Amino acid sequence: AAGVIQSPRHLIKEKRETATLKCYPIPRHDTVYWYQQGPGQDPQFLISFYEKMQSDKGSIPDRFSAQQFSDYHSELNMSSLELGDSALYFCASSLGGSTYNEQFFGPGTRLTVL
Amino acid sequence: GENVEQHPSTLSVQEGDSAVIKCTYSDSASNYFPWYKQELGKGPQLIIDIRSNVGEKKDQRIAVTLNKTAKHFSLHITETQPEDSAVYFCAARDQGGGADGLTFGKGTHLIIQP
Repeated sequence: AAGVIQSPRHLIKEKRETATLKCYPIPRHDTVYWYQQGPGQDPQFLISFYEKMQSDKGSIPDRFSAQQFSDYHSELNMSSLELGDSALYFCASSLGGSTYNEQFFGPGTRLTVL
Repeated sequence: GENVEQHPSTLSVQEGDSAVIKCTYSDSASNYFPWYKQELGKGPQLIIDIRSNVGEKKDQRIAVTLNKTAKHFSLHITETQPEDSAVYFCAARDQGGGADGLTFGKGTHLIIQP
């Protein structure tokens, strides 16, 4: 079965640079979520989109922005990168707007900021 | 906002024995409680979930129980096998909508001793 695709899988950036992470949801899924997971930590919710509209907002820094495109893929844009932004970034997708929708996670993008 | 507490942080059991992981949540509006298994270097994988109108759910060797009054839920794994070794996360989501983010517990590192 098709899964969530994230690219790139690994990314190395310098402080103050920008980064763009991409997420391709499972086919027919219309909802995308972004999570940040630091080393040894639990995933922290950043932001979500349903039918291309921002739906919920978590602990996303003002330096980060995201959007969902007409083909339902999503991009997380990160500017003025800091050392503390080094983490695993997961995208998850689900179908529909029900509270009980299962979220399926992608393999993640490992971002290292030097 | 929601706060999810998870215990223990590390659990070591003999192969074939049972493992129990417990979580409590703070927001009485939460009504969806998934459990995820995360192996090293991979994204979280949904293993079982439960809705607030259900007290127990079972899927082969895995079961989850929910006590809404006490606001706690537990994961039970019977007849543990080496491949069960991983980090397990409980999570909660309120009834705000299906596109809302999950709040995760801090995780339990389950170690199955041969």
